[in-house]
Amino acid sequence: SQQGEEDPQALSIQEGENATMNCSYKTSINNLQWYRQNSGRGLVHLILIRSNEREKHSGRLRVTLDTSKKSSSLLITASRAADTASYFCATDAGGAQKLVFGQGTRLTINP
Amino acid sequence: DTAVSQTPKYLVTQMGNDKSIKCEQNLGHDTMYWYKQDSKKFLKIMFSYNNKELIINETVPNRFSPKSPDKAHLNLHINSLELGDSAVYFCASSLRTGGGGNQPQHFGDGTRLSIL
Repeated sequence: SQQGEEDPQALSIQEGENATMNCSYKTSINNLQWYRQNSGRGLVHLILIRSNEREKHSGRLRVTLDTSKKSSSLLITASRAADTASYFCATDAGGAQKLVFGQGTRLTINP
Repeated sequence: DTAVSQTPKYLVTQMGNDKSIKCEQNLGHDTMYWYKQDSKKFLKIMFSYNNKELIINETVPNRFSPKSPDKAHLNLHINSLELGDSAVYFCASSLRTGGGGNQPQHFGDGTRLSIL
């Protein structure tokens, strides 16, 4: 069964605006990762956040993790057309030797 | 200098045929994976190998057989293809296992399999 579920399923914003995507998961985790998938391409790793971290930044990306609520969010600031992609969260489902992915948020940045 | 490369990129074939997908990584990683992504973009792990040893074998029909000749290669052979096998298959690799979530995974660009 799915571990992570992203919300919203689709998001359309204007270029320059901020985009926020949320991920909820069911079981305890050691780590949570965010990936981007451009159309017709493979997934690209964005950020890994450990269960003892609350926030992490990478360029225009900001990830938060709230283990008490079993949720994470990905914020993309000052969005660009090139940010148009699907974004997935993935968890290790409590230390299992695998990543379990959500179904992703489809983000569209309108020029 | 592609890090994880899969061939072929597209595979169109008849039901009942047998086909193989090849994957190679030049990152020096120890662990490789096969994922299946369905039409709704849901990505699910199928197999994982660590240094040529099978460590994850999800509930996958035994028509699917992975083979790892060395730690840089992980191939997927599919027998008696069925309509439901139509999907995008992704190969990925990571530095080491020890909790699949501990390391970023690097993905190939996928093989789009269409069964007629």
